[in-house]
Amino acid sequence: TQLLEQSPQFLSIQEGENLTVYCNSSSVFSSLQWYRQEPGEGPVLLVTVVTGGEVKKLKRLTFQFGDARKDSSLHITAAQPGDTGLYLCAGAMSTGNQFYFGTGTSLTVIP
Amino acid sequence: NAGVTQTPKFQVLKTGQSMTLQCAQDMNHEYMSWYRQDPGMGLRLIHYSVGAGITDQGEVPNGYNVSRSTTEDFPLRLLSAAPSQTSVYFCASSYSVSVGVNYGYTFGSGTRLTVV
Repeated sequence: TQLLEQSPQFLSIQEGENLTVYCNSSSVFSSLQWYRQEPGEGPVLLVTVVTGGEVKKLKRLTFQFGDARKDSSLHITAAQPGDTGLYLCAGAMSTGNQFYFGTGTSLTVIP
Repeated sequence: NAGVTQTPKFQVLKTGQSMTLQCAQDMNHEYMSWYRQDPGMGLRLIHYSVGAGITDQGEVPNGYNVSRSTTEDFPLRLLSAAPSQTSVYFCASSYSVSVGVNYGYTFGSGTRLTVV
């Protein structure tokens, strides 16, 4: 059983559209991170959220941590082909460095 | 550039063979870990280390061994390769957790392993 479930698993949209990716769990996390991975490469960290209800913005990307620290969302405004990739969320339990990764959302932005 | 270096990038093994996947980082990170990535499964933690001489098991440790003799290196050993170990393996490192702070991982570029 996966600790973190992401939805949708696959997403294909036209350039300029908006989209939201969800990361859900029944467990509480001390912090949550979002990564983007391109083919043949390792994931690259986008953001870390640590406080329930926290919202962080990175250019056209908006990240939110749920109030109960069990879920998170990633919203992309006016998607561009360069946003194409696999988006992964990862949650840390209350102790240690171990992050548990979600199942991933594969995003394709069509020019 | 500083980062996490994994070798080899590709490897084909026969069932029953053993091999070591190498991982080295030059950022003086205390924490290092190995993940495997399979389609539809995300990244699953195999083993991790919080410092030289200290290792522990993750979610899927069976069939793998690790050691951490130096801060820089964290090799992953496959004892007797099985087709179920066909996967992409990633090594990651970070600073250790500080009070109120969680650092992100720096990942290597991966080793694609096929066991036939």
